[in-house]
Amino acid sequence: AQSVAQPEDQVNVAEGNPLTVKCTYSVSGNPYLFWYVQYPNRGLQFLLKYITGDNLVKGSYGFEAEFNKSQTSFHLKKPSALVSDSALYFCAVRDNNAGNNRKLIWGLGTSLAVNP
Amino acid sequence: EAGVAQSPRYKIIEKRQSVAFWCNPISGHATLYWYQQILGQGPKLLIQFQNNGVVDDSQLPKDRFSAERLKGVDSTLKIQPAKLEDSAVYLCASSLGVLASDGADTQYFGPGTRLTVL
Repeated sequence: AQSVAQPEDQVNVAEGNPLTVKCTYSVSGNPYLFWYVQYPNRGLQFLLKYITGDNLVKGSYGFEAEFNKSQTSFHLKKPSALVSDSALYFCAVRDNNAGNNRKLIWGLGTSLAVNP
Repeated sequence: EAGVAQSPRYKIIEKRQSVAFWCNPISGHATLYWYQQILGQGPKLLIQFQNNGVVDDSQLPKDRFSAERLKGVDSTLKIQPAKLEDSAVYLCASSLGVLASDGADTQYFGPGTRLTVL
């Protein structure tokens, strides 16, 4: 069965420090992986996705994520955190081999707090 | 390019009342999704449309929830009658979705409607 895990409910980091938000997944076939961010009282905003090719994916607002097939992980990273990055981050996966109705499977989210 | 529009942004109703939400997707997007997001959880897909046809409604509580997408553009989601556990944010998303099976298709979300059922 497809699943996504975000092992940390909350991540705290000081402004200017690098940040990592973790995501691991389980699918039977090849994964399509997505990261979204949700600010308070807002909808989800697309950050980046991995389809195929280069394992390091660059996205919006200086974020990047590294696909690691052997560890079945897709961690979100940013070299230098900003206070404005404080938000809820969701990882999602779609199994490319799951047939025609391939739902996005969502993690429970990680709350990122960047302290000034 | 205009994003996904939703209205209303907030709604408070009594249990057993009915409520309707409206969504206008990004122009040209064939696929439209309705999600329910309960506080502290990830989004849960309620229904997915490809143009005006339903692709997946397996998690839609059909005894009280209904959705339509007439003419393959705007969509409405209705709850009748509402229960306390329906309190959530209802998110609409759209994607190009030329092929319903395109796994790389990116979904773009509206701001959501926060429903409170008292």
